[in-house]
Amino acid sequence: NAGVTQTPKFQVLKTGQSMTLQCAQDMNHNSMYWYRQDPGMGLRLIYYSASEGTTDKGEVPNGYNVSRLNKREFSLRLESAAPSQTSVYFCASTPRTSGGYTDTQYFGPGTRLTVL
Amino acid sequence: RKEVEQDPGPFNVPEGATVAFNCTYSNSASQSFFWYRQDCRKEPKLLMSVYSSGNEDGRFTAQLNRASQYISLLIRDSKLSDSATYLCVVNIASGAGSYQLTFGKGTKLSVIP
Repeated sequence: NAGVTQTPKFQVLKTGQSMTLQCAQDMNHNSMYWYRQDPGMGLRLIYYSASEGTTDKGEVPNGYNVSRLNKREFSLRLESAAPSQTSVYFCASTPRTSGGYTDTQYFGPGTRLTVL
Repeated sequence: RKEVEQDPGPFNVPEGATVAFNCTYSNSASQSFFWYRQDCRKEPKLLMSVYSSGNEDGRFTAQLNRASQYISLLIRDSKLSDSATYLCVVNIASGAGSYQLTFGKGTKLSVIP
């Protein structure tokens, strides 16, 4: 099993350009997540998908859109990139979130994005 | 009060030392607790879950104090390979009965030869 994979690993964009970050998991997990990590800020949740067909906003959703294409794939789109979106983006998945309990999250290797 | 708080460190300790990290969380209804490890420029990886009764995995011991909303991680006999950032992770209610993992900013550990 590859676990959680992300593409691309690195990307440089100019302000105003758009791009889609891809994420896929082969563990048959129900829930998937997108985080960004900035120095001194820790991991912050952008969007999540509790199950196939659903998506919800996290802590910092502005400037992003997501698509849960199927159970395996969860993409993150930047419609008009801004320098403030320079960050490391991590995708994660978890088997389930049920009631007040959350299973372990498994992370992809990350995408390092620079917006000039 | 921040939802999950950790001392950012850095903790610089010699090989073989014992080191302890602490973490406090704000939501008394939280049910899931973890310690993750993150190496420089890598993704976070689960180190261990934290259970109410406390749990141990080799040189690592985790404790949970629900009354004080406090989690700890103890590392005994530190190795050079333990150098990393340790993230305290707690599930926090995000509304409408949904819970999400909230990550602390991490505590950086450097084990020195």
